[in-house]
Amino acid sequence: GNSVTQMEGPVTLSEEAFLTINCTYTATGYPSLFWYVQYPGEGLQLLLKATKADDKGSNKGFEATYRKETTSFHLEKGSVQVSDSAVYFCALRDPNFGNEKLTFGTGTRLTIIP
Amino acid sequence: DTAVSQTPKYLVTQMGNDKSIKCEQNLGHDTMYWYKQDSKKFLKIMFSYNNKELIINETVPNRFSPKSPDKAHLNLHINSLELGDSAVYFCASRNVPLGEQYFGPGTRLTVT
Repeated sequence: GNSVTQMEGPVTLSEEAFLTINCTYTATGYPSLFWYVQYPGEGLQLLLKATKADDKGSNKGFEATYRKETTSFHLEKGSVQVSDSAVYFCALRDPNFGNEKLTFGTGTRLTIIP
Repeated sequence: DTAVSQTPKYLVTQMGNDKSIKCEQNLGHDTMYWYKQDSKKFLKIMFSYNNKELIINETVPNRFSPKSPDKAHLNLHINSLELGDSAVYFCASRNVPLGEQYFGPGTRLTVT
């Protein structure tokens, strides 16, 4: 079956540090890939996405590149801010399920300290 | 201007009780979902409805019964609550195929 594996958290960084959160996936076809962010007390919000190999998704200074050869979609940001503190979820959309189903990783809690 | 809303936000109840969580979206979307997020933040889909018809039903105990009175609402009824049902339940909706899923703020259910 499909699965998403994220680096275990929590991750604590100082403000302006470089961020990488690793994500790898297993899928039978060619999934679309997503990063969602969950701020404290809120629901998930789509951060960025990529729908085919070598696509780069970007938003709010975050980037992730769909790497088919390594089945990865690592999230990066060059200079994090305190407001980036949240839980980040990598997800894939199952290509064999009528594009209805999202499979999530376990989430990575990120804390940025001033 | 809430896009996807859920009620209640918090729900504390005892084992064996029956409870419902309501979800409404004002985005005009055709498809709605219920997800369960456990204490370790693991998020898993439970159900999906498209125009009031069940599309996805994961391996969820039949104590959980979704009901969609119209395409703007997808309620979750849970019978005979158990301790393991304690979690945060998220409702979501989306419009077109390949479209973004919009999530509600979640309902934190605590079963004592």
